[in-house]
Amino acid sequence: DIQMTQSPSSLSASVGDRVTITCRASQDISNYLAWYQQKPGRVPKFLIYGASSLQSGVPTRFSASGSGTDFTLTISGLQPEDVATYYCQHYKSAPLTFGGGTKVEI
Amino acid sequence: QVQLEQSGSELKKPGASVKVSCKASGYTFTNYGMHWVRQAPGQGLEWMAWINTNTGNPTSAQGFTGRFVFSVDTSTTTAHLQINSLKPEDSALYYCVRGISMTQGRNAFNIWGQGTMVTVSS
Repeated sequence: DIQMTQSPSSLSASVGDRVTITCRASQDISNYLAWYQQKPGRVPKFLIYGASSLQSGVPTRFSASGSGTDFTLTISGLQPEDVATYYCQHYKSAPLTFGGGTKVEI
Repeated sequence: QVQLEQSGSELKKPGASVKVSCKASGYTFTNYGMHWVRQAPGQGLEWMAWINTNTGNPTSAQGFTGRFVFSVDTSTTTAHLQINSLKPEDSALYYCVRGISMTQGRNAFNIWGQGTMVTVSS
């Protein structure tokens, strides 16, 4: 099974900061990588697919990159509404595992 | 619009069974596989399984075989998750999810049900 490791597990930043979250796969997953945002008490929201493609409607301050085993999600100009937990997920092959999550606070 | 509507919260005793339903609408049900994701209280997301909506064949993660039964009813465009011999550690929010690509297998999840809370307690 492919393991997904996110870092850091939590971070605190200021409004306007650039925030970067890292996700590492235990083996090559090409670009089969998605990112999700989950606010407290809410359903996860789909942000990114194909490692770097922004889902329609997602603010352009969100960007992502990577291929193979190393991936990043960047928030350029952190906003109060970005407080949430962010998850990466690979979809290379079953089981489609999620990372442990990164909690972003302000 | 595309929607996944899940059944309501459940409170069950250990050893009982529960069946969670996920009604799909707004798209051709058999064009997309259906996945299930679990989230225990205060914990992260855990992929459980996906089911081929054409054949009804499920593919499960380790730990979600045996007591966990995944099925679909194409006549009602509904996916079901049944958990037998419930344990307290099964207490969690269960989501049905659909992928962004028209495929039965691997996918990124752009459509989520609202979640069904299952609580197992004596």
